[in-house]
Amino acid sequence: DQQVKQNSPSLSVQEGRISILNCDYTNSMFDYFLWYKKYPAEGPTFLISISSIKDKNEDGRFTVFLNKSAKHLSLHIVPSQPGDSAVYFCAARGRFGNEKLTFGTGTRLTIIP
Amino acid sequence: ETGVTQSPTHLIKTRGQQVTLRCSSQSGHNTVSWYQQALGQGPQFIFQYYREEENGRGNFPPRFSGLQFPNYSSELNVNALELDDSALYLCALQRGPTGELFFGEGSRLTVL
Repeated sequence: DQQVKQNSPSLSVQEGRISILNCDYTNSMFDYFLWYKKYPAEGPTFLISISSIKDKNEDGRFTVFLNKSAKHLSLHIVPSQPGDSAVYFCAARGRFGNEKLTFGTGTRLTIIP
Repeated sequence: ETGVTQSPTHLIKTRGQQVTLRCSSQSGHNTVSWYQQALGQGPQFIFQYYREEENGRGNFPPRFSGLQFPNYSSELNVNALELDDSALYLCALQRGPTGELFFGEGSRLTVL
């Protein structure tokens, strides 16, 4: 039972353009959502998060949008840079900060120079 | 640089053997979690320790066990290794009031 789904295994985007990575979830108890970036041979790196009380959170080139009614979130990266090429994981947890994270299967983003 | 150190970084074991993976941080953290990331999958929660006690467990059998020490370092032990245990094992520490997890670089285990 995949409670967090990333339906696009891979995405290629031209350098300088916008990258949009999507994530859907099924568990209505999820209250906090995070995006992680992973390079080969490294652990996941925290990128940005959003609470269910918001619909948008922005940090530099990264913006996360949350649509609670659709149980959908997306990560926008603009402008995309070659260093953004990595696997991106969407994750979710319940209300409390010490709860486990449930991850999606990841989307491999390739930025084409 | 997350300040989370895992060892060893790579290891190869044979089926039936036992393995111990270690995790430490530059500063003390009450809560440490372990995740397993199989090839092509997202990380899966194994268990969490808070103040040396197991405080939550995912869908993993009892042959996966852990310890957290008074200095907040942690171990993951896996007994009777199976081929499907081949994966990247990640240690994560919680930081901040909203509990974002910060991961180490992982220990890649190959079971032959």
